[in-house]
Amino acid sequence: DAKTTQPTSMDCAEGRAANLPCNHSTISGNEYVYWYRQIHSQGPQYIIHGLKNNETNEMASLIITEDRKSSTLILPHATLRDTAVYYCIVSKAGGTSYGKLTFGQGTILTVHP
Amino acid sequence: EAGVAQSPRYKIIEKRQSVAFWCNPISGHATLYWYQQILGQGPKLLIQFQNNGVVDDSQLPKDRFSAERLKGVDSTLKIQPAKLEDSAVYLCASSRKDNEQFFGPGTRLTVL
Repeated sequence: DAKTTQPTSMDCAEGRAANLPCNHSTISGNEYVYWYRQIHSQGPQYIIHGLKNNETNEMASLIITEDRKSSTLILPHATLRDTAVYYCIVSKAGGTSYGKLTFGQGTILTVHP
Repeated sequence: EAGVAQSPRYKIIEKRQSVAFWCNPISGHATLYWYQQILGQGPKLLIQFQNNGVVDDSQLPKDRFSAERLKGVDSTLKIQPAKLEDSAVYLCASSRKDNEQFFGPGTRLTVL
C-alpha cells in the first residue's frame, strides 16, 4: 500500500473549518484514500473514504486532487469534541488486501475555544 | 446496533506470564481484526480473520502470540509468555464491507 505524509500537529479555532492535508504521491489507481480519527483513550473511528471524486458525509468532506497525489479532509465547523489524532490511509479494496489498514503517525488536531 | 465489545479493559501482568483478550464483533460482520497500538504510535495490524479463517497474520509474533476465531464470531488473542515490549493497547475491529472498520474500546496491557 502507498505511504502517506501528514503534518504532525495542527490547531483550529472552535467553529472554524479544519483542513487536514495528506500527501500520497505513490498512490496507485485501485487504492482508496481513507480517513479515521482517534479520540483520546478510544478506538479509531471511520470518517470517510474516496477513490477520485470528492466525497461528503455528515462528519466531513474529502477533497482529492485530480492527480490523486494529495487530499484534504475538511471538518466544516470544528468543535472541541473534534480534538483527536487524524489518520490518512491509502488502501486497496478487494483481493487479499481487502480491509487492510496501515496506520501512520497521523495529525494531532487540537481545537481551541 | 451494538458496537465491538472487548474485555478486559485493563490488565496488568508480570513478564513471562500469560494473558488473553476477548472480542465480540458487531453482529453480521464477517471480518475481524486485532491491532496492537504502542503509546505514541498508530495501530498495527496483528491478524485479520475472514469468518473463522486467517487472511493475514504476517505481523503476528507467532512465537508468543496466538489468536483464534471459533465459529466465525467471537475471537481471543493470547500472549504467552509476555514481554515488557508487549505493553500496549490491543484493539479489536470488525467490518462488513469496504474498509469501514468499527473498533472496540481496546484492552490496555501493562507488563511489569
